[in-house]
Amino acid sequence: DAGVTQSPTHLIKTRGQQVTLRCSPKSGHDTVSWYQQALGQGPQFIFQYYEEEERQRGNFPDRFSGHQFPNYSSELNVNALLLGDSALYLCASSSIAGGPFRTGELFFGEGSRLTVL
Amino acid sequence: KQEVTQIPAALSVPEGENLVLNCSFTDSAIYNLQWFRQDPGKGLTSLLLIQSSQREQTSGRLNASLDKSSGRSTLYIAASQPGDSATYLCAAPVGGSQGNLIFGKGTKLSVKP
Repeated sequence: DAGVTQSPTHLIKTRGQQVTLRCSPKSGHDTVSWYQQALGQGPQFIFQYYEEEERQRGNFPDRFSGHQFPNYSSELNVNALLLGDSALYLCASSSIAGGPFRTGELFFGEGSRLTVL
Repeated sequence: KQEVTQIPAALSVPEGENLVLNCSFTDSAIYNLQWFRQDPGKGLTSLLLIQSSQREQTSGRLNASLDKSSGRSTLYIAASQPGDSATYLCAAPVGGSQGNLIFGKGTKLSVKP
């Protein structure tokens, strides 16, 4: 059973550029949440996607956007990169729809390490 | 507004010792609380999920308790091993939402052989 997979694992960008990160949820899950983790801090919630729509959003600017596809996979896009966007970006999956997978437990991927120069 | 605090920030113990990590949260209207482990530069591994109807949950040498009335959860690790060295994070959901978790800053555990 494949867990949550993220790509790429590492990437380096320069200020002003745009980046796209990808996530495939755990089998049986329909919901994807994205988090940003700065060094030495706990992860911070960016937004959540369910049924291809953004359902919840944390305190992040509009430069952060996302998308969910019919197969439940998701992308996180960040435009006009700033030095402060350097962080580990984590994807988490869970299940909102009913059934045995709806436990409320979140499962995380290994993350994408973004460095902005 | 949910806030999560973890004490201590760092802990160093000799191998074999039993230890307790503490987590406190401000909004007691949570429906679950989750503990995670994070190795350096890696993602989060879910350790235990405690539903609000439960008082504790066990997995191997790990035991987590939840006291909603006092806004506290503890993670107990029995007979610690060097492989337990990692950062341990607790997270509580915002209101009744699933997926929007508020994390503490974590406790960095070092178990020395």
